[in-house]
Amino acid sequence: ETGVTQSPTHLIKTRGQQVTLRCSSQSGHNTVSWYQQALGQGPQFIFQYYREEENGRGNFPPRFSGLQFPNYSSELNVNALELDDSALYLCASSPGQRLRTFFGQGTRLTVV
Amino acid sequence: KNEVEQSPQNLTAQEGEFITINCSYSVGISALHWLQQHPGGGIVSLFMLSSGKKKHGRLIATINIQEKHSSLHITASHPRDSAVYICAAPSYNTDKLIFGTGTRLQVFP
Repeated sequence: ETGVTQSPTHLIKTRGQQVTLRCSSQSGHNTVSWYQQALGQGPQFIFQYYREEENGRGNFPPRFSGLQFPNYSSELNVNALELDDSALYLCASSPGQRLRTFFGQGTRLTVV
Repeated sequence: KNEVEQSPQNLTAQEGEFITINCSYSVGISALHWLQQHPGGGIVSLFMLSSGKKKHGRLIATINIQEKHSSLHITASHPRDSAVYICAAPSYNTDKLIFGTGTRLQVFP
């Protein structure tokens, strides 16, 4: 039990649609990061939020956006879905920089 | 060349064998994570270490900061240890994790 919960666990969307993935972190976890893991590959950093502000972004287009809320929950939004967006999306949170990171179980998104 | 590299990519073992997975990194880091990922996706953090050695049950992780190398050892391996093991390093100034490609371990009875 990591204390990080993601929903939904699985999702199927059609190309061109929009999707919102959710993550609920432990109380006090001010830092949340989102990662995309394509099949057979390591996770790739999408972006990080610290105290509700974006605090770093990986090489992902603007149609990937996020929000972090005061109750330590966060969202990843993806607009205009493409087939290549099919992946496992992981949320990771920590109480602060350079402290232990806790991962959610992931949301598996399939775009058809 | 990836900033974080692991070896081997795939590893099979018989139950009871001692297992070593290696991780080398080229980025300047504050600490290194060892993670375990089972089929279905969920990632569990096994260790975060910045120096020396840590032990938890049958798992041991070591790191040599000067050589930029870390190892994960599993003693008396068991089929339930079968998973993908990933090392990940946060860049020094951020918490952005750079992941290795993982080592797929299969332990047979």
